[in-house]
Amino acid sequence: AQKVTQAQTEISVVEKEDVTLDCVYETRDTTYYLFWYKQPPSGELVFLIRRNSFDEQNEISGRYSWNFQKSTSSFNFTITASQVVDSAVYFCALSEGGRSGYALNFGKGTSLLVTP
Amino acid sequence: DADVTQTPRNRITKTGKRIMLECSQTKGHDRMYWYRQDPGLGLRLIYYSFDVKDINKGEISDGYSVSRQAQAKFSLSLESAIPNQTALYFCATSDGDALNQPQHFGDGTRLSIL
Repeated sequence: AQKVTQAQTEISVVEKEDVTLDCVYETRDTTYYLFWYKQPPSGELVFLIRRNSFDEQNEISGRYSWNFQKSTSSFNFTITASQVVDSAVYFCALSEGGRSGYALNFGKGTSLLVTP
Repeated sequence: DADVTQTPRNRITKTGKRIMLECSQTKGHDRMYWYRQDPGLGLRLIYYSFDVKDINKGEISDGYSVSRQAQAKFSLSLESAIPNQTALYFCATSDGDALNQPQHFGDGTRLSIL
């Protein structure tokens, strides 16, 4: 079963619009970690943020912000005043303990296109 | 120099050939992973290794094998490549003593099997 769901497959916005990428996860662990990665057209994976299950504080980094809500098992990502350089595929991922070795369970990704 | 290096970066080969993808790291991490990315499917775990003597299957290990030759090296092999193994392959590392830290990814190997 998919442990991380990114329901939005593709999003297209015009530059300067705000956009929110949704991520819903599923786990029975009490300790787990959530991540967002960006994959630009060049293909590499760029780490954006991590959050552990005990820290529900929202975080803001420049134009990026993240909203973590355990009650709804969501970890949403908002880009404020989007720019063309934000065009990429964004992945949400879940890391759990046990024998999985803290490997990442990725969502299928949301492809964001920002047009001028 | 990159912390996690994958070779080759691109490879085109034919069905039935044996292929090895190599990954080396300079981060001193004990944990290494191989993932496969297909369009619209995200990344899926093939194999992972806690250390040289501890190798584990991931979600989609069929058709693949791995070798952890040293702490710094983790190779992925396709014994007899088939077209549906065409994908982008990523190697990643993480520090076993800091499990909340992000995994560090190589730049990927784009593999095409004709």
